[in-house]
Amino acid sequence: GAGVSQSPSNKVTEKGKDVELRCDPISGHTALYWYRQSLGQGLEFLIYFQGNSAPDKSGLPSDRFSAERTGGSVSTLTIQRTQQEDSAVYLCASSLGGGRGGYEQYFGPGTRLTVT
Amino acid sequence: AQSVTQPDIHITVSEGASLELRCNYSYGATPYLFWYVQSPGQGLQLLLKYFSGDTLVQGIKGFEAEFKRSQSSFNLRKPSVHWSDAAEYFCAVGANTGKLIFGQGTTLQVKP
Repeated sequence: GAGVSQSPSNKVTEKGKDVELRCDPISGHTALYWYRQSLGQGLEFLIYFQGNSAPDKSGLPSDRFSAERTGGSVSTLTIQRTQQEDSAVYLCASSLGGGRGGYEQYFGPGTRLTVT
Repeated sequence: AQSVTQPDIHITVSEGASLELRCNYSYGATPYLFWYVQSPGQGLQLLLKYFSGDTLVQGIKGFEAEFKRSQSSFNLRKPSVHWSDAAEYFCAVGANTGKLIFGQGTTLQVKP
């Protein structure tokens, strides 16, 4: 079956511009996660959606970052006024459930963001 | 605080040799532990996971890992490494919300 898909695969933007990154989770997966992978910081959790519950935004690095999940499916991560330190690979993952259920997270291929 | 440490940033082994990648965690409750592999330009793939029960878990591609509570460790092992195993390996602990806390990763190079 189809896995997690992300678009675009690569994005180059100028400092100060806004960007939107999209994630299509596996059908039927109720939990969706965003992570960021960068050379200096490794793999970091950003935000978590589970069903209709309020998202866990505890990993968002600043208020320039926001995310939404529409209809319990597709998610968009928005970065406003991009900075060079935002350059990273943004990974999306989905799972059948969240919390302490121990569900396996399936990762998408990522979006490589470069801020010039 | 919850954290994962992978002490070895880079490891080189000869093809056919055995492999052990180290992982230490800090977590207040019973941890859920994972090993993921990332090949160049690829996404993360789950190798194996530990939730409870038998402390020796088997995964894909011939990998296994042993959970040792007394040492707060979850080391990954493979008896005979293949050239295709060259990749970056991440150990992770699952927090209460299910989010993963990753170690810094270990890059494995395989010599022919």
